[in-house]
Amino acid sequence: KQEVTQIPAALSVPEGENLVLNCSFTDSAIYNLQWFRQDPGKGLTSLLLIQSSQREQTSGRLNASLDKSSGRSTLYIAASQPGDSATYLCAVSGAGGTSYGKLTFGQGTILTVHP
Amino acid sequence: DAGITQSPRHKVTETGTPVTLRCHQTENHRYMYWYRQDPGHGLRLIHYSYGVKDTDKGEVSDGYSVSRSKTEDFLLTLESATSSQTSVYFCAISESRLAGEGDTQYFGPGTRLTVL
Repeated sequence: KQEVTQIPAALSVPEGENLVLNCSFTDSAIYNLQWFRQDPGKGLTSLLLIQSSQREQTSGRLNASLDKSSGRSTLYIAASQPGDSATYLCAVSGAGGTSYGKLTFGQGTILTVHP
Repeated sequence: DAGITQSPRHKVTETGTPVTLRCHQTENHRYMYWYRQDPGHGLRLIHYSYGVKDTDKGEVSDGYSVSRSKTEDFLLTLESATSSQTSVYFCAISESRLAGEGDTQYFGPGTRLTVL
């Protein structure tokens, strides 16, 4: 059974810092990995999707890397802003067949960026 | 934002009553999913659909049933609600693409269900 772990569980940083969120998964047979953002009381917003054949994806100040063989992904946020405060979730998708599209989520990292 | 709506957005019901949650999409995406989100457990897949009338179970399907008679609608039914089903329920959609291109899931705003 796939298990996804996110470290740290919570992180508080001053505005302007660069930061790294970590995600690890136990079964390397994944189709892709997604990073999501969730604001309090809201749904999830997809930030980045990395296919299993890729090493990284970038969107603006966000960069996500994937090392499938070691079961790890990192989300790098550059020059953090108070508006980045949210819960960040990592999820992996099963590799094909009946597992296709089934996401297994980590518990999330609660990020607070203070002015 | 992907065109996904969920109804109702909030519901309070009593133990033993049937409850149906609706997910509606305007994107014509093939795949639809129901998740529940609980403190300490995160998000867990309940059921999913890979086409009209094609559904399958997820990780926590006991006590839930689903139906999909049209591409745009995916219904989640609690036949006899229990207090353990108090949760926030999210619907998600994704579009099948060519192999190797990956597939982003887009989430609805959620339904907060309280079973007393």
